[in-house]
Amino acid sequence: DGGITQSPKYLFRKEGQNVTLSCEQNLNHDAMYWYRQDPGQGLRLIYYSQIVNDFQKGDIAEGYSVSREKKESFPLTVTSAQKNPTAFYLCASSIGTNNVYEQFFGPGTRLTVL
Amino acid sequence: AQSVAQPEDQVNVAEGNPLTVKCTYSVSGNPYLFWYVQYPNRGLQFLLKYITGDNLVKGSYGFEAEFNKSQTSFHLKKPSALVSDSALYFCAVRDTGGSYIPTFGRGTSLIVHP
Repeated sequence: DGGITQSPKYLFRKEGQNVTLSCEQNLNHDAMYWYRQDPGQGLRLIYYSQIVNDFQKGDIAEGYSVSREKKESFPLTVTSAQKNPTAFYLCASSIGTNNVYEQFFGPGTRLTVL
Repeated sequence: AQSVAQPEDQVNVAEGNPLTVKCTYSVSGNPYLFWYVQYPNRGLQFLLKYITGDNLVKGSYGFEAEFNKSQTSFHLKKPSALVSDSALYFCAVRDTGGSYIPTFGRGTSLIVHP
């Protein structure tokens, strides 16, 4: 899983709660990404960031928020507005925004709504 | 627009036999193509990529992939499968003239039987 860490590994949320998933990388990568993985649906992009203090919505951003105050950190908040948050969340990074660069993934956080 | 298809949800192969996991793509320009592997409850690991040049790309753990422009395919192959190769495999594509955000396939579950 390279130089990307995600915490916690497992997270349980009650209805109506906001929770924050941590993602840290020590690879000195400029670009970072958040994906949601559900069985049989592959990876869906939530948010991405090309550089510090900048981020863009992905395909399924509703009910989520992010920040990019430091190059190495890209936390994801799952808000109470996200109606079906139970899923496996993956953080990734790449050297930059050139198309040739592969992505490096963290180990994931499994979020369960109780 | 870019898209990728993995036509098989699951591939079964006996240990020692060759394996193929299929991927087809659609792009407006030229493709950059990637294969990743995911073991249970883990993040994705990069296997190999095609950027340009030789159509046969060699990657990690004995895997290789063949780029076929006329068939718009990028199938993953290995001459002799191991039980430890059992995992979920994802193909991803970027359009050279488009965004650096890749599009992932839905994944193919490879099961190697002893």
